[in-house]
Amino acid sequence: DGGITQSPKYLFRKEGQNVTLSCEQNLNHDAMYWYRQDPGQGLRLIYYSQIVNDFQKGDIAEGYSVSREKKESFPLTVTSAQKNPTAFYLCASSISGTHYEQYFGPGTRLTVT
Amino acid sequence: QKEVEQDPGPLSVPEGAIVSLNCTYSNSAFQYFMWYRQYSRKGPELLMYTYSSGNKEDGRFTAQVDKSSKYISLFIRDSQPSDSATYLCAMSALYNQGGKLIFGQGTELSVKP
Repeated sequence: DGGITQSPKYLFRKEGQNVTLSCEQNLNHDAMYWYRQDPGQGLRLIYYSQIVNDFQKGDIAEGYSVSREKKESFPLTVTSAQKNPTAFYLCASSISGTHYEQYFGPGTRLTVT
Repeated sequence: QKEVEQDPGPLSVPEGAIVSLNCTYSNSAFQYFMWYRQYSRKGPELLMYTYSSGNKEDGRFTAQVDKSSKYISLFIRDSQPSDSATYLCAMSALYNQGGKLIFGQGTELSVKP
């Protein structure tokens, strides 16, 4: 089955620690995205990548970093510089040029205390 | 003012009712209009997208776009308890103008048996 996997489903960290969220897709999509979802708010774009070895900042990139070394993988690191890291993180992918047709993974709920 | 506004609800209807979900927007450059369904603690699922103005129907779902009023709607006919979820609208400009998706806050829908 083709799809997007995110792991783990739930993640707990202490304040001051960096944490990396995994996102893998086997849809052969060129473009991948990271969003953050907070209660009562829509999804906000953190980073996106249209092609391997290239990525751009979204609206709320501060305190986050990404890499895109392989087409199928787009990990997100939440650094200690992110002031409010507790949130639901969603990864998505799309065929290049069809940004309007994004497919989402199941999400990772990160709690930082 | 947010670029995309969506009534957060919650909206509660009896089974079989017609549901109307709506979003307004301010950016006249938006050309693509999407509706996503999100079950609790899951990733959003793309229901349908519309390019520019007009209607699009898929089974019990109908999407309408009125660009002159900057207003989009999703109608659900013969609503079912399985339709209970949060519905997110999303919009974007053409790909070569950035193309990122801007999401509404989501409307929580509950369909009672």
